[in-house]
Amino acid sequence: RKEVEQDPGPFNVPEGATVAFNCTYSNSASQSFFWYRQDCRKEPKLLMSVYSSGNEDGRFTAQLNRASQYISLLIRDSKLSDSATYLCVASFGNEKLTFGTGTRLTIIP
Amino acid sequence: SAVISQKPSRDICQRGTSLTIQCQVDSQVTMMFWYRQQPGQSLTLIATANQGSEATYESGFVIDKFPISRPNLTFSTLTVSNMSPEDSSIYLCSVWTGFGYTFGSGTRLTVV
Repeated sequence: RKEVEQDPGPFNVPEGATVAFNCTYSNSASQSFFWYRQDCRKEPKLLMSVYSSGNEDGRFTAQLNRASQYISLLIRDSKLSDSATYLCVASFGNEKLTFGTGTRLTIIP
Repeated sequence: SAVISQKPSRDICQRGTSLTIQCQVDSQVTMMFWYRQQPGQSLTLIATANQGSEATYESGFVIDKFPISRPNLTFSTLTVSNMSPEDSSIYLCSVWTGFGYTFGSGTRLTVV
């Protein structure tokens, strides 16, 4: 079983729709969680950290459920520019990051 | 957040040769991380580089193949040694910024 699992997609979503990604992690000792966005042929860029209380940044909402060991990302009112691969990431302390395989999202005009 | 300058951005190398990748950070950081991203896959940690000590390698990666230098708190190099086509990949360095991890722009390596 992979340490961090994501649905690889692809998700093809019409512009303006809401889309949700889920991610599960196997190491219950994981302490920090992140969502990264990676555009084609580019490096991953931090989208948002994920906190137990849930956090929101504009159209993006992230949730962490420690009991069930899953993380979610919700994108509302999706834009064409949201098309990318979204990487779920878990870490133990501020050290080793474990990446999911990524979920590819394409927003359709 | 920290800004990382990584070079080269890409290279095409002959099998059996070595390539050294450099990362320069605009601030001092304790740990630097080196990742590999194979085509169509996610990132895998190669090693963690601490200044003043030997790098810590993940399972499946060894120092002879991927020697790392960390001469100061703002700079690190990763060498891919005795390359084979299986080493064709993107190599990225990363640092913790206090808010999250920042990545260099990556080195796209093709071994022919």
